[in-house]
Amino acid sequence: AQSVTQPDIHITVSEGASLELRCNYSYGATPYLFWYVQSPGQGLQLLLKYFSGDTLVQGIKGFEAEFKRSQSSFNLRKPSVHWSDAAEYFCAAAPPGGGNKLTFGTGTQLKVEL
Amino acid sequence: DGGITQSPKYLFRKEGQNVTLSCEQNLNHDAMYWYRQDPGQGLRLIYYSQIVNDFQKGDIAEGYSVSREKKESFPLTVTSAQKNPTAFYLCASSSRTGSNYGYTFGSGTRLTVV
Repeated sequence: AQSVTQPDIHITVSEGASLELRCNYSYGATPYLFWYVQSPGQGLQLLLKYFSGDTLVQGIKGFEAEFKRSQSSFNLRKPSVHWSDAAEYFCAAAPPGGGNKLTFGTGTQLKVEL
Repeated sequence: DGGITQSPKYLFRKEGQNVTLSCEQNLNHDAMYWYRQDPGQGLRLIYYSQIVNDFQKGDIAEGYSVSREKKESFPLTVTSAQKNPTAFYLCASSSRTGSNYGYTFGSGTRLTVV
């Protein structure tokens, strides 16, 4: 079955520290991959997406993600976290050419210590 | 500006009542989706529609109903058959093709049973 796994439920980092949020997928072929961010009580905002090509993808708010086929991973990174980055982050995937229904991970709650 | 509008932002339901959540988009997207979000469970798909007058059940459709009479609108009815309706509900839409692939989300409706 197709699935997306975010192994970390909660992560706490200090402001100014680097961040890496993990995401692993299980699909027959390389899926389309996405990262979304959700502030409390709000909808989800797209940070970045990967379809093919360059495995390092740049997104909004200074985030980037690296696709690693050998590890079935699509980890989200930021070199220096700001207090405003505290939110919940969701990884998602969709089968290429197989319709546009996304499968979401269960999310990682990021807390930023000042 | 184009986007998705969900209303109301907060909704209270008495036991045994049906309630309808509104979702309208002006993005000219073909596909629309309803998700339920509960703490620690990520996003679970309730219903989705890829074309007007057609929709499919998602993973947790029991106790819910939808209609798709217009491309712009995809209302969700939470019926009295839904035993635990208190949750945060998110509507999303997507284009089916190309670089627009990926969802645009509304800001959500929080439903509480009183």
